[in-house]
Amino acid sequence: DGGITQSPKYLFRKEGQNVTLSCEQNLNHDAMYWYRQDPGQGLRLIYYSQIVNDFQKGDIAEGYSVSREKKESFPLTVTSAQKNPTAFYLCASSSIGTGPYNEQFFGPGTRLTVL
Amino acid sequence: GQQVMQIPQYQHVQEGEDFTTYCNSSTTLSNIQWYKQRPGGHPVFLIQLVKSGEVKKQKRLTFQFGEAKKNSSLHITATQTTDVGTYFCAGWDNYGQNFVFGPGTRLSVLP
Repeated sequence: DGGITQSPKYLFRKEGQNVTLSCEQNLNHDAMYWYRQDPGQGLRLIYYSQIVNDFQKGDIAEGYSVSREKKESFPLTVTSAQKNPTAFYLCASSSIGTGPYNEQFFGPGTRLTVL
Repeated sequence: GQQVMQIPQYQHVQEGEDFTTYCNSSTTLSNIQWYKQRPGGHPVFLIQLVKSGEVKKQKRLTFQFGEAKKNSSLHITATQTTDVGTYFCAGWDNYGQNFVFGPGTRLSVLP
């Protein structure tokens, strides 16, 4: 059963703590993405990676960090430096390039609440 | 930086009425993608347009990519309650370095 998994679905943390959100895909996609979505808003790109051990900052990378040690996995760490971390976090993956097959497949998301 | 806008922000229609959302980018796009997100769900890919002036249809949905590759539209004919959700456009800039989503248009369909 192919797809993208994110865990947990809901996550609560105290202010000042780092937290890592997991994202795993078995679609054999080269590219993976992390987005943040605030209530009633669109998606904003945090980081993306097109190849193992390489990643690029998106529009709102400050306060976040990522790693891409395996093709299947792209964990996101929300650090204490992120001023407003409470949000819905979505992970996605796609094939590379701008051809007809680079649609992004999204995971179910993790709703992070920082108390 | 690159900005993508969508209008309207919200649209309420009676079931059976048509619906259109418009997407405008501040810079030329190499492609445009449309996604649908149901309430409480995650975005699901609908379609991708690549060529200037391209028009694609999926049953009751018609997608257009502008001649200048800076705007796009999604038109739904005879809306149904299953069309409820938020429709997002998104695209890569011409250098393939920045992928931006529009803020979305939230569609409500009254039965």
